[in-house]
Amino acid sequence: GDSVTQMEGPVTLSEEAFLTINCTYTATGYPSLFWYVQYPGEGLQLLLKATKADDKGSNKGFEATYRKETTSFHLEKGSVQVSDSAVYFCALRGTGNQFYFGTGTSLTVIP
Amino acid sequence: GAVVSQHPSWVICKSGTSVKIECRSLDFQATTMFWYRQFPKQSLMLMATSNEGSKATYEQGVEKDKFLINHASLTLSTLTVTSAHPEDSSFYICSAVPGLAGDYEQYFGPGTRLTVT
Repeated sequence: GDSVTQMEGPVTLSEEAFLTINCTYTATGYPSLFWYVQYPGEGLQLLLKATKADDKGSNKGFEATYRKETTSFHLEKGSVQVSDSAVYFCALRGTGNQFYFGTGTSLTVIP
Repeated sequence: GAVVSQHPSWVICKSGTSVKIECRSLDFQATTMFWYRQFPKQSLMLMATSNEGSKATYEQGVEKDKFLINHASLTLSTLTVTSAHPEDSSFYICSAVPGLAGDYEQYFGPGTRLTVT
């Protein structure tokens, strides 16, 4: 079945450091891929998405490229801020429109 | 726009009782709603898919007689945890998908913390 494997955390970085959170997927067909963010005490919010191979999703300085050859959708940001501290979830939308999530990666950015 | 609410935000109940959690789309009609359970180590598990006017589709391993889902209208889905036990304590999250053609974005509720004593 469809699934997402996400880099385990927690991740602690200093402000302005480079961030990578790895995500790989297994799916039949051609899924859409997403990154969601959950700030402390809040619900999940869509961060970015890509709907086909080689698409790059971007938002708030974060980027992820849909790599079909490596079945990956790694999240990157060149310079993190304290306000980026949150839990990040990689997800895919399968052929039945169900969403499957990775285990989440907690990011803490220290000043 | 695209706001989803959940009620209650937290609830404590005694073992053996039932608890109902509501999920509402406030400013759009949702043909599909999803129910998730979020575990302490942050993994989000899809429990069931709820379509308005039809029976919910449960993921493998989820007891449909224990987790009753009713999608009564295009703006409301409810999850009832029947005969709750301490192991049902968790964070339950719903999401809603607008009925617009091609728009399969899902919007999440803030979640409900259930504690069974």
